[in-house]
Amino acid sequence: SQQGEEDPQALSIQEGENATMNCSYKTSINNLQWYRQNSGRGLVHLILIRSNEREKHSGRLRVTLDTSKKSSSLLITASRAADTASYFCATDGNTDKLIFGTGTRLQVFP
Amino acid sequence: EADIYQTPRYLVIGTGKKITLECSQTMGHDKMYWYQQDPGMELHLIHYSYGVNSTEKGDLSSESTVSRIRTEHFPLTLESARPSHTSQYLCASSELEGQPQHFGDGTRLSIL
Repeated sequence: SQQGEEDPQALSIQEGENATMNCSYKTSINNLQWYRQNSGRGLVHLILIRSNEREKHSGRLRVTLDTSKKSSSLLITASRAADTASYFCATDGNTDKLIFGTGTRLQVFP
Repeated sequence: EADIYQTPRYLVIGTGKKITLECSQTMGHDKMYWYQQDPGMELHLIHYSYGVNSTEKGDLSSESTVSRIRTEHFPLTLESARPSHTSQYLCASSELEGQPQHFGDGTRLSIL
């Protein structure tokens, strides 16, 4: 059963613009994580937000979590061409294993 | 900087061959995972291990098997490869369940 769904599926922006990706999930969680995957590579962990947190920042990344709506968003500010990648949310759901969302493919044009 | 290594990175092989995908990590993590990912798609957990001599099947049914004889090593084996096994296989590890996972760069497997 799929825990996370992300939208949009794909996003194209110009360098310097902000990129926002959304993640919805189905069950209660302990934490929600965001990962980046460059083409042909493995996933890299970006940020973890706990269920009792509403917002978290890391550099140009801002993550929000709304447990009442079972949703999260990832904002990348002042995007760069190097941010081009797929971004996945992951939740622990009712189990101790991560379940990954469908991903958002971000393309940042120079 | 990868602390988890997968080999080979690419493998093209004929139907019916036995294949072993290697995964090693140097972080001393007890928890290790194998995921299957088709290009541009979500990850599906196929196997996991909570420590030496512990292996469990994941959410996605897979004809592969795994072993965990040493903490740092978690190989995945396909006894008889078929075209339906064509996919990318990602290995990961974590210190605790539900915590951030470290991923290898994957093995892209093509069965002819």
